[in-house]
Formats: sequence, structure tokens, C-alpha cells
Amino acid sequence: DAGVTQSPTHLIKTRGQQVTLRCSPKSGHDTVSWYQQALGQGPQFIFQYYEEEERQRGNFPDRFSGHQFPNYSSELNVNALLLGDSALYLCASSFLDSTDTQYFGPGTRLTVL
Amino acid sequence: QQQVKQSPQSLIVQKGGISIINCAYENTAFDYFPWYQQFPGKGPALLIAIRPDVSEKKEGRFTISFNKSAKQFSLHIMDSQPGDSATYFCAATLNSGAGSYQLTFGKGTKLSVIP
Repeated sequence: DAGVTQSPTHLIKTRGQQVTLRCSPKSGHDTVSWYQQALGQGPQFIFQYYEEEERQRGNFPDRFSGHQFPNYSSELNVNALLLGDSALYLCASSFLDSTDTQYFGPGTRLTVL
Repeated sequence: QQQVKQSPQSLIVQKGGISIINCAYENTAFDYFPWYQQFPGKGPALLIAIRPDVSEKKEGRFTISFNKSAKQFSLHIMDSQPGDSATYFCAATLNSGAGSYQLTFGKGTKLSVIP
């Protein structure tokens, strides 16, 4: 049974560019949450998707957007990249009725130059 | 505004010793308190979790102690081993409606267990 998978593993972009990160949830999970983890910090909640809709959003600007597909996989898009967007981006999946128990993928390390 | 405060920032424990990490929260609406373990280059892995109607939960060498009145909870790692060396995060969640939860994390504790 595959866990949460994310791609790519690493990514280098320059300021102003746009990036798309991808996540496949754990088998059977229907809810995907995205988190940003800056170096030396705890993960911070970006948003959560269920039934292809954004259900909750953390304190992140509109440059951060997402999408969920019918197979429950998800994408995180970040536009107009800033140096401060450099971080590990984590995807977590869960069942809707137990989203307190979230399982994380290995993350995508984004470096903005 | 940091809603979950974690201490210490780093911890060095000898093999066989007890590691203790503490967290305090502000929002009394939090209703689930998980601990995550993260190794370098990996995502956080759920270690153990507790709900506020329970004062203690033990799973193997890992124990959560929960003090609802003080709004504090802690992780105890008994018989600490070098393989336990990792960063530990406490977290808290609240139900934002329709069963939807978001995790609020502490800043993490880097644990080093020396032989």
C-alpha cells in the first residue's frame, strides 16, 4: 500500500516564476492538505481540498492556489515566486471524517533564487 | 501569533535516558494533540496522539501526558536510543466545521541521543 507521494523531490526556480507541485494521497484517502515548512520551523497550513474544492485556507496570499482531481490527487501552484517561498512543501492526506489524523509525504524542496 | 509553543528547541540525551519535550497551547477549542517525528529529508510521521478527555497515553516507549487545566502536554521517550534522534513536533487541531481539521504545529525540538 503506497503512502503519500510527491513530485518533484527538488526544484529550483527564480524570482517571479511559477511552480506546480504534485501530490498523490495514500490509498483510500479523499482529503489533501498542503503545508509549507521553512528551514528550522514547523509546518504551516496552506489549504485543504476535498471533493475538488478548497475547504479551508491558512494565512497565505492568493499567489498560492491549488487543485484536486477526481482521483483525489492534488496540485499546489505558486505564482510570482519570492525568495521567501523557498521551503519544503508537504502534502498530507486523510479521510474527510478523520482529518485530524493526517499522513505526510516526503515533501518537495523548493529553492527560489 | 503562535498558538502552540514548544520547548526546548534542542535536547541532548544519553542512550537509555528519558527525553522530555513540552508544549503549551492557547486555543481551548483544540481537541486533538498529535506528535510527529521527522528525520532529515523526510516528511513528518505521526508518532502518537491524545484527545483532551484523557490525561495520559502510552505506546511502547512513547508517552503523552496531558494537563487540560494548564493547557500543556508533553512527550516522554523512555530508554532513548540513537535511532530516536530526529526533530519532534507537537501539534494541535480543531474542527473547523464539517469534520475538517487543520494542524497547528510547534516549532520543533531537535533531539540527539548520544551513545
